[in-house]
Amino acid sequence: GIQVEQSPPDLILQEGANSTLRCNFSDSVNNLQWFHQNPWGQLINLFYIPSGTKQNGRLSATTVATERYSLLYISSSQTTDSGVYFCAVEQDGGTSYGKLTFGQGTILTVHP
Amino acid sequence: DTGVSQDPRHKITKRGQNVTFRCDPISEHNRLYWYRQTLGQGPEFLTYFQNEAQLEKSRLLSDRFSAERPKGSFSTLEIQRTEQGDSAMYLCASSLAWQRSSYEQYFGPGTRLTVT
Repeated sequence: GIQVEQSPPDLILQEGANSTLRCNFSDSVNNLQWFHQNPWGQLINLFYIPSGTKQNGRLSATTVATERYSLLYISSSQTTDSGVYFCAVEQDGGTSYGKLTFGQGTILTVHP
Repeated sequence: DTGVSQDPRHKITKRGQNVTFRCDPISEHNRLYWYRQTLGQGPEFLTYFQNEAQLEKSRLLSDRFSAERPKGSFSTLEIQRTEQGDSAMYLCASSLAWQRSSYEQYFGPGTRLTVT
């Protein structure tokens, strides 16, 4: 099956700093989503971005499908950005339509 | 609230007992997924339904696990004879789908199972 690797595994920032999270995947994808998991375990949808670039406030994401990676940018980080960020992909051409394979996540801690 | 809902949010059970979880997807979504997440890991796919048909089961889903979506709306996940290794967060998600194409998945708050 498809492999998904996220980096870095841990990231510690001061409030106001910018950061870039990376997601590499081993095969072609139909779907790529970024999630933020809050301390209660809820997965919050950030971006649905199989290709191209999107922006939502202080967050933006870029997926370069031909090179098999995606980037999540967080600007002017706030303490409420703390949590785990997951990248998840749906492999193209597989038999499991819609099945998401998740990376291991990036644990982000933002200090005031 | 029109998001995905799950019940219960927490379940503590003794080893050997049976448990059942419920998921109510977003009403217009025809595809429903179950995932399991253990501590420090990303969620892992268990099974999914298109309407009422269960189309795939992961090898993670042992014979003790069964899932249903009887009328293509809500779904239940039952674990029989629970083991300590079943302790995890069980997540449900739903999406729209058309033939081979699927769209953005939305997750519920999860059911945290603890087997003592």
